[in-house]
Amino acid sequence: EVQLVESGGGLVQIGGSLRLSCRASGFSVTRQYMSWVRRAPGKGLEWVSSIYSDGGTFYTESVKGRFTVSRDNSENTLDLQMSGLGVEDTAIYYCARLDDGNSGFYYMDVWGEGAMVTVAS
Amino acid sequence: YELTQASSVSVALGQTARITCGGDDLERKSVNWYHQKPGQAPILVIYRNNYRPSGAPDRLSGSNSGNTATLTISGAQAGDEGDYYCQVWDTIVVFGGGTKLTVL
Repeated sequence: EVQLVESGGGLVQIGGSLRLSCRASGFSVTRQYMSWVRRAPGKGLEWVSSIYSDGGTFYTESVKGRFTVSRDNSENTLDLQMSGLGVEDTAIYYCARLDDGNSGFYYMDVWGEGAMVTVAS
Repeated sequence: YELTQASSVSVALGQTARITCGGDDLERKSVNWYHQKPGQAPILVIYRNNYRPSGAPDRLSGSNSGNTATLTISGAQAGDEGDYYCQVWDTIVVFGGGTKLTVL
């Protein structure tokens, strides 16, 4: 069964760090485009970061220099290292698999259940 | 690239709801739609403008023309309530702001 399961969420102080992990089953994270998406309280979905099958990484402007996305081939996980956290980073973080059906236009066909990150003083 | 959605749409039970997504020359892109219910992860309901993933009800359909893409929900049910997001691929992922659907 194709599945994504996040872990690592929790409460962290302003300026602190946290590492999220997303374990994949049923497929290899290294062969797919993968993304992190978040939803802050009262807000809509926001794309955070992506890592492509060739290893290229991309970030939304507000997290550049603070967040790092990576993959662990042996564990088949997608990770998000977050540092310099602020209250604006409080959100549910979802990992998602990107597919394109060979069209070149990507959509998120598999989502994890989400991990809550709360940044407070 | 920016996508624009109305913040809310209401529809009577059993009637047809239309949720729109606007963007510059949007018809040149491939639009995807996600449905998110409270407390749940988003799920893909339409991809590549008008394809339904397996398991998605055939009451949902999509179209994309000019600067507007439309998600149509026929025979709206209580279970259709929630937030709907359009999304395109522009080298990165781009989401619309989301539309809250209420079934009256």
